[in-house]
Amino acid sequence: KQEVTQIPAALSVPEGENLVLNCSFTDSAIYNLQWFRQDPGKGLTSLLLIQSSQREQTSGRLNASLDKSSGRSTLYIAASQPGDSATYLCAVLNDYKLSFGAGTTVTVRA
Amino acid sequence: DGGITQSPKYLFRKEGQNVTLSCEQNLNHDAMYWYRQDPGQGLRLIYYSQIVNDFQKGDIAEGYSVSREKKESFPLTVTSAQKNPTAFYLCASSVTGGGYGYTFGSGTRLTVV
Repeated sequence: KQEVTQIPAALSVPEGENLVLNCSFTDSAIYNLQWFRQDPGKGLTSLLLIQSSQREQTSGRLNASLDKSSGRSTLYIAASQPGDSATYLCAVLNDYKLSFGAGTTVTVRA
Repeated sequence: DGGITQSPKYLFRKEGQNVTLSCEQNLNHDAMYWYRQDPGQGLRLIYYSQIVNDFQKGDIAEGYSVSREKKESFPLTVTSAQKNPTAFYLCASSVTGGGYGYTFGSGTRLTVV
């Protein structure tokens, strides 16, 4: 059974600092990995999708890397802003099933 | 705009009552999913459907039922057999297999009163 772990569970940084969010998974036979953002009481918004054959994906200030062999992904958010405050979820797809980590809750202080 | 619509946003259930959560998508996706989210836990899969008139149990299907009569719709019924239904419910869709990522709705908050 796929297990997905996100560390840390919570993170508080001053505005302007770079954010580094970690995700690890136990079964490396994944099809893809997706990073989501969730605001309180809201649904999930997809940020980045990395296919298993890719090493990284970038969108604006966001960059996600994937090391499938070691079962790790990292989400980097450059020059954080208060609007980046949210919970970030990592999810991996294998055997047609998406498995989620519990998320990292980020607070960016103005 | 294409997307997933979940309704209602908030739902209150009395003990012993069945309630149905609605999920509609206009993304032309074949696959649809229901997840449950509890505080401090990852999303857990309740049911999924890869094609119309077919669906499979996920990890926590007990106390729930679904139907898939139309490609666009995948309603979830929370039955009285579900002992702890208070949670945030999320519906998602994808192309078959999920290779292009999942799209999620805005969720329904269900509370037992």
